[in-house]
Amino acid sequence: EVQLVESGGGLVQPGGSLRLSCAASGFTFSSHWMNWVRQAPGKGLEWVANIKQRGSEKYYVDFVKGRFTISRDNAKNSLYLQMNSLRAEDTAVYYCVRESVGAIGGFDFWGQGVLVIVSS
Amino acid sequence: QAGLTQPPSVSKDLRQTATLTCTGNSNNVGNEGAAWLQQHQGHPPKLLSYRNNNRPSGISERLSASRSGNTASLTIIGLQSEDEADYYCSAWDSSLRAWVFGGGTKLTVL
Repeated sequence: EVQLVESGGGLVQPGGSLRLSCAASGFTFSSHWMNWVRQAPGKGLEWVANIKQRGSEKYYVDFVKGRFTISRDNAKNSLYLQMNSLRAEDTAVYYCVRESVGAIGGFDFWGQGVLVIVSS
Repeated sequence: QAGLTQPPSVSKDLRQTATLTCTGNSNNVGNEGAAWLQQHQGHPPKLLSYRNNNRPSGISERLSASRSGNTASLTIIGLQSEDEADYYCSAWDSSLRAWVFGGGTKLTVL
């Protein structure tokens, strides 16, 4: 059974940092692009970043470039998101998301999400 | 970054058919198609359709996806109460080098 379990969320002050982790199991982690997608309270889905199977390519949405860093450790089946210079507008549930293999394309498995609140 | 355009809400009667739309451009929907997700309140999204319009295992045959030019569509026939949810489309934008989402459509089954 595919499982994605996020951790590391919580309350942080504006300007602060958090590191989110995602523990993957039930599939060959190193075969998939992995993503972080967020959802602000009562709002829609917003893609944040993704990383290629071996980490050689990474892409970010414009408003997190220079502040957030996505990384992975295939030996530990883990995905990470280092978030610096956090702003109130970064408050959201952050989901760890797997992309399907191959060209068919889609976010085929989602974690339960972890809540990040940026507030003083 | 520009997202995809979805109508905010659609309302249909039980057992009727709903067609949800998602409009992008030639760099995203028009290039490699759009995937569709369903989200019930308080739960993470679930993939309903890949970008090639195929359904993942376990997804009802009442759902079908298609694309015409820069617009993707999700059709749900024989609406049931459990179809009431938020629906999102997503596509990879080759120009932005980013995934983009639609704003979501809230489907109400009357």
